[in-house]
Amino acid sequence: AQTVTQSQPEMSVQEAETVTLSCTYDTSESNYYLFWYKQPPSRQMILVIRQEAYKQQNATENRFSVNFQKAAKSFSLKISDSQLGDTAMYFCAFMKLYMYSGGGADGLTFGKGTHLIIQP
Amino acid sequence: NAGVTQTPKFQVLKTGQSMTLQCAQDMNHEYMSWYRQDPGMGLRLIHYSVGAGITDQGEVPNGYNVSRSTTEDFPLRLLSAAPSQTSVYFCASSYSGQAPAYGYTFGSGTRLTVV
Repeated sequence: AQTVTQSQPEMSVQEAETVTLSCTYDTSESNYYLFWYKQPPSRQMILVIRQEAYKQQNATENRFSVNFQKAAKSFSLKISDSQLGDTAMYFCAFMKLYMYSGGGADGLTFGKGTHLIIQP
Repeated sequence: NAGVTQTPKFQVLKTGQSMTLQCAQDMNHEYMSWYRQDPGMGLRLIHYSVGAGITDQGEVPNGYNVSRSTTEDFPLRLLSAAPSQTSVYFCASSYSGQAPAYGYTFGSGTRLTVV
């Protein structure tokens, strides 16, 4: 079984600053994906960014980027030019892949989350 | 609007009562799943289904039943509610082959309180 650890229960930064959220994971799988999800007070789960384990290049989505260190099993999220709307819970998640009827994926294993607060 | 619809949004049950949390999606997703979210615990997988007629257990299946008779619907049943089942429940779906590319589409959640 795999585990996902987020060691920062809460973080607070000023608007426009850059913030990095940490995530480490443990797995014996070689084929997997990693995700960051955002959960604002509305409770909706929103996909922020994803990373394929077989790709060395770090994923980037606008102000969001990751630092994926496969050997170290680390997957941190960097938010640049933080905005008030970035205030939310952020969850790191792991998905292993398996071959099922032509290809498929398993469920997500989540970390416990980091509560990010952007101060005006 | 296309997406995952969960009903009800809020529910209070007495210990021992039964109920069904509904989940429906109109995206023709093969894969559907149920998670529960507890404070400080993140989301944990309860049950999942890779297609109509096929279900399997996740990390925390005890006390919950599921069935998948159609592609669109994946209800979660609590046969005898317990206070330990107080939680927020999320349904999520995806195309099986595209889950890695797009992640999952989540419903807006059901907050369940068992007293």
